[in-house]
Amino acid sequence: KQEVTQIPAALSVPEGENLVLNCSFTDSAIYNLQWFRQDPGKGLTSLLLIQSSQREQTSGRLNASLDKSSGRSTLYIAASQPGDSATYLCAVIDSSASKIIFGSGTRLSIRP
Amino acid sequence: DAGVIQSPRHEVTEMGQEVTLRCKPISGHNSLFWYRQTMMRGLELLIYFNNNVPIDDSGMPEDRFSAKMPNASFSTLKIQPSEPRDSAVYFCASSAQGALGYTFGSGTRLTVV
Repeated sequence: KQEVTQIPAALSVPEGENLVLNCSFTDSAIYNLQWFRQDPGKGLTSLLLIQSSQREQTSGRLNASLDKSSGRSTLYIAASQPGDSATYLCAVIDSSASKIIFGSGTRLSIRP
Repeated sequence: DAGVIQSPRHEVTEMGQEVTLRCKPISGHNSLFWYRQTMMRGLELLIYFNNNVPIDDSGMPEDRFSAKMPNASFSTLKIQPSEPRDSAVYFCASSAQGALGYTFGSGTRLTVV
């Protein structure tokens, strides 16, 4: 059974710092991996989607990497801003492309 | 595209009442998912449909929960009778078989008193 773990559960850093959020999964047979952002009381916004054949994806200040063999993904945020404060969720889409399994998220707080 | 549309945004109901949550997926997406999110349990998959057919409902907590997808553009999640422990945010998501990822609706915040 696929399990997705995110560490740390919470992170607080001063504005301007670069930071890395970690995601690990137990079954490397995945279809793709998706990072989401959730603001308090809001829905999930897709940030980056990495296909299983890809190693990384970039969007603006965000870079997500994928290492299937080790069951790991990282989300790198460059030059963090207070507006980046949110919960970041990692989700693995299974090999049949039919189910998405979420980690419990990392709650990120950027201090001005 | 307006994205995945859920209604209502908020629902407050009394214990024992029937609750119906609605979802309109993105046009052209053939998979639809219902999730429940609570502080204690995070995001839980309740049920998903592929081409309007329920594929996996193992996450549905009890017989009080039922879901339907009568056509490609509409799905409902019904709770009857509702209980206070059903209070949560319920999300609907759709996908074109996961190839391009999943898109979530804004959710329905359900409070059962």
